[in-house]
Amino acid sequence: TAGITQAPTSQILAAGRSMTLRCTQDMRHNAMYWYRQDLGLGLRLIHYSNTAGTTGKGEVPDGYSVSRANTDDFPLTLASAVPSQTSVYFCASSASGSGGDTQYFGPGTRLTVL
Amino acid sequence: GQNIDQPTEMTATEGAIVQINCTYQTSGFNGLFWYQQHAGEAPTFLSYNVLDGLEEKGRFSSFLSRSKGYSYLLLKELQMKDSASYLCADMDSNYQLIWGAGTKLIIKP
Repeated sequence: TAGITQAPTSQILAAGRSMTLRCTQDMRHNAMYWYRQDLGLGLRLIHYSNTAGTTGKGEVPDGYSVSRANTDDFPLTLASAVPSQTSVYFCASSASGSGGDTQYFGPGTRLTVL
Repeated sequence: GQNIDQPTEMTATEGAIVQINCTYQTSGFNGLFWYQQHAGEAPTFLSYNVLDGLEEKGRFSSFLSRSKGYSYLLLKELQMKDSASYLCADMDSNYQLIWGAGTKLIIKP
């Protein structure tokens, strides 16, 4: 099974440009998450969705937007990229988004903003 | 407040035992997770504790003390493939994971 896929694997982006990071899961999980991981810091939640049609803000949502039109897809958009958004981005999903729910991660997208 | 503390780096010898500690201070608590992350890869789930005590799963065990806000991951019979970062995360009252920065474990022959 594919689990969670992310695209692209890596990207170099000019500052000011927009970009959408794609995330697709085939586990029929209700909850999905976007994190960024920076050296020396823990994973930080950007946005999440507990079910299709709903989204919520995490710890670091500024500069990012998400949508959840269906169960499988959870794209993350950077409207106007800045160098501080250089990071590794992980998408994750869990069955229900409630207590004890294990999150499963995609392979990540390495983004460099110049 | 929400804060997760774990050591930045640890070194251990192949075949030995290592204990990685994690302390947390979270408003609301719904369990403590441990994940393993090899360099350049995604985190993968290792364990989940919501009640006090030790959970054993093969060579890996995880312990939780809710009153002390403390957990540890115990790795036995270390193998070179165990070289990775180990991430501690606690689930808060909104069922969101609050992550520590991770402990990089270096295994030496």
